[in-house]
Amino acid sequence: DGGITQSPKYLFRKEGQNVTLSCEQNLNHDAMYWYRQDPGQGLRLIYYSQIVNDFQKGDIAEGYSVSREKKESFPLTVTSAQKNPTAFYLCASSIMEGFNEQFFGPGTRLTVL
Amino acid sequence: DAKTTQPNSMESNEEEPVHLPCNHSTISGTDYIHWYRQLPSQGPEYVIHGLTSNVNNRMASLAIAEDRKSSTLILHRATLRDAAVYYCILLSPDTGNQFYFGTGTSLTVIP
Repeated sequence: DGGITQSPKYLFRKEGQNVTLSCEQNLNHDAMYWYRQDPGQGLRLIYYSQIVNDFQKGDIAEGYSVSREKKESFPLTVTSAQKNPTAFYLCASSIMEGFNEQFFGPGTRLTVL
Repeated sequence: DAKTTQPNSMESNEEEPVHLPCNHSTISGTDYIHWYRQLPSQGPEYVIHGLTSNVNNRMASLAIAEDRKSSTLILHRATLRDAAVYYCILLSPDTGNQFYFGTGTSLTVIP
């Protein structure tokens, strides 16, 4: 089955530690996205990538970093510089950047202790 | 941000139609209207999208006002599985065609 996988579903980290969230898709989509969702709020865009080896900052990129070395993979690193990292993180992909339908993964809930 | 306004919450009885409104008075001619929904602790899923004409698919219908300043997502027969947060999103070239999710409408379906 084609789709987007995110792992792990739940992640706990100590304050000050970097953590990397995984996102893999087998839909052959060019564009991939990372969003953050806080309780009772909508999604906010962190980073997006239109093609391999290229990515752009979204609205709340500070304290995060990404890489896009393979078309299928778009990992997100939450660094110690992110002041309030506890949140629900969602990865998405679309055929290309723009008007196309975005397909979302199941999300990773990160809790920083 | 491309702005939309939706009611915070709505209720519907099971097996009845549901009309979810969205206001987007600042919409421009090239903005697409997208609807997504999100079940608890899951990622959003695409529902429907349109530009000017009304649209139908297997999940829902989208009715777009003639002046495009508002739209309505119609679920023809609500089921318990339709209980979710519904997001109305404008996709605008002016903002790089990025999705801006507001707080959406939380739909409760009453058995």
